[in-house]
Amino acid sequence: NSKVIQTPRYLVKGQGQKAKMRCIPEKGHPVVFWYQQNKNNEFKFLINFQNQEVLQQIDMTEKRFSAECPSNSPCSLEIQSSEAGDSALYLCASSPWGGADTGQLYFGEGSKLTVL
Amino acid sequence: TQTVSQSDAHVTVFEGDSVELRCNYSYGGSIYLSWYIQHHGRGLQFLLKYYSGNPVVQGVNGFEAEFSKSDSSFHLRKASVHWSDSAVYFCAARGGGRALIFGTGTTVSVSP
Repeated sequence: NSKVIQTPRYLVKGQGQKAKMRCIPEKGHPVVFWYQQNKNNEFKFLINFQNQEVLQQIDMTEKRFSAECPSNSPCSLEIQSSEAGDSALYLCASSPWGGADTGQLYFGEGSKLTVL
Repeated sequence: TQTVSQSDAHVTVFEGDSVELRCNYSYGGSIYLSWYIQHHGRGLQFLLKYYSGNPVVQGVNGFEAEFSKSDSSFHLRKASVHWSDSAVYFCAARGGGRALIFGTGTTVSVSP
């Protein structure tokens, strides 16, 4: 069973609505990633954090997506104004120090977003 | 630019058969390669990884993979599949950037 906890498992939003997903990384893992997996099994890296600081993010994330990993609180990914193309499974993954460097990530079950 | 390709979208095998899932990558430098499994409606689970050393690496649940620099490949194998191995398998690579690059997956269906 995954030790990375993502909530909610499912969310349904109308176009233009906000969508917010949360992730509790595995205990002791300072590195957190967010990925988007579409229905064609294409993965898109969105953003990653080391402790509370953003390490890397893509352009899309900078415009409509926002994310944070505050200390002592769940990480979150929020889409300010949902679009139909945002319908996907959003996966959170965490890693211990060095783990991300070797390609070993620990994934949550995902939050499946459907934008109507 | 780093790419990962999985040439087989779907593989069907009988329980007890062996299976090999193919993964090819393109990247000019040192690369970390890994395999993940995703059961229907679930997240990804790590199976194994390779960076250097013995090109054959062992993973969980009887999976192993072999790295070939000459072929730019990292194929996954299992000698005897179980029905519970039915899932989507993703090959992933990390080269210069921190983010993993994933292939589009191979769906394995195990028939009784």
